[in-house]
Amino acid sequence: GAGVSQSPSNKVTEKGKDVELRCDPISGHTALYWYRQRLGQGLEFLIYFQGNSAPDKSGLPSDRFSAERTGESVSTLTIQRTQQEDSAVYLCASSLDIRVGGYTFGSGTRLTVV
Amino acid sequence: GQQVMQIPQYQHVQEGEDFTTYCNSSTTLSNIQWYKQRPGGHPVFLIQLVKSGEVKKQKRLTFQFGEAKKNSSLHITATQTTDVGTYFCAGVSGTYKYIFGTGTRLKVLA
Repeated sequence: GAGVSQSPSNKVTEKGKDVELRCDPISGHTALYWYRQRLGQGLEFLIYFQGNSAPDKSGLPSDRFSAERTGESVSTLTIQRTQQEDSAVYLCASSLDIRVGGYTFGSGTRLTVV
Repeated sequence: GQQVMQIPQYQHVQEGEDFTTYCNSSTTLSNIQWYKQRPGGHPVFLIQLVKSGEVKKQKRLTFQFGEAKKNSSLHITATQTTDVGTYFCAGVSGTYKYIFGTGTRLKVLA
């Protein structure tokens, strides 16, 4: 596609429920990143993919968070048993190659846990 | 772990004044990127610096990478209202895990 697409754009969920956030990177982009941004804060690194592999998962806040990528394309970020502190905008970014600078960000998924 | 700090946290300037934000890393960086995020928007890539002492210009924006590759700066000459937003640096050292700075929120008063 022309840009990085994320869905849903907004998600309100009850505490304790599981959520899946989807990212469609730009076609042909092999590198994909997930970041979390709380209101008025900076970007917190979660995980990155090189192809379908995730060499560094150290940014995932807890074992309730997981992510996968298939076909060097779509990625899903899953949060199990959501907590109120999970409320944030989850941003996905992609790049043609992990060594090439300049990541294109999607518009994000705003997650609200009530 | 690697930390990237930015100063100032906030900056209000009159339209036409200059603006500078500074980025400092606790570790030597392989490269550094700069992004701009408009209010309510997502980060947009501005530039990447790779070489020690590198200086790059984009119209009124001047980006610099320190000699030791541990700091960087973004300078805007003669700010305009369209420059409003939060400016983030993002650095990487060793791996491809880009760590974003804390950001500088710029307000331009007309």
